[in-house]
Amino acid sequence: GAGVSQSPSNKVTEKGKDVELRCDPISGHTALYWYRQSLGQGLEFLIYFQGNSAPDKSGLPSDRFSAERTGGSVSTLTIQRTQQEDSAVYLCASSKGQNTDTQYFGPGTRLTVL
Amino acid sequence: RKEVEQDPGPFNVPEGATVAFNCTYSNSASQSFFWYRQDCRKEPKLLMSVYSSGNEDGRFTAQLNRASQYISLLIRDSKLSDSATYLCVVNFREYGNKLVFGAGTILRVKS
Repeated sequence: GAGVSQSPSNKVTEKGKDVELRCDPISGHTALYWYRQSLGQGLEFLIYFQGNSAPDKSGLPSDRFSAERTGGSVSTLTIQRTQQEDSAVYLCASSKGQNTDTQYFGPGTRLTVL
Repeated sequence: RKEVEQDPGPFNVPEGATVAFNCTYSNSASQSFFWYRQDCRKEPKLLMSVYSSGNEDGRFTAQLNRASQYISLLIRDSKLSDSATYLCVVNFREYGNKLVFGAGTILRVKS
């Protein structure tokens, strides 16, 4: 399978804990995106990477959220001091090059903050 | 005004029906348009790109109207398996040319 993979698939954590979500993009895809989707809602853009740099971080909802990408491949999204409103599905997508190319999504990480 | 607007539905149609969704976008300079499909509790998947001249893929037809800034998706001979949320996606140059997703239109096909 050469699709986008994400781990863990489900994460339950207590309020105030830190969590780290991982995304493995399709091999060779230079662009990588993080979104989140609350139940019954649309996709909320969080951050976009081109290679290892993030030209667009405009969607990160607070300074508790950060993301990095290393080696132009794997990316991690870190949420510090989680809050209940952080509960959502976190989706990662990748595309070949330009950020207008077709995006291919991973299965997501379902985060529940108790 | 939202950048990309869709009627949330749900559209409830019988099998075999023809159904159409519209999506309006706010940026006249947008160049890339897509329809994605999202099944319940699954990730979005590309259904089709939308080209200026309109394009068809089996039972699905996509149209672009630049003057009125909307795109449409027509589904003919609806199947039960077409039940899903359909997401309209448009690029926005003022946001670094990134893709903006609509909130989606829910389709329920019933037997």
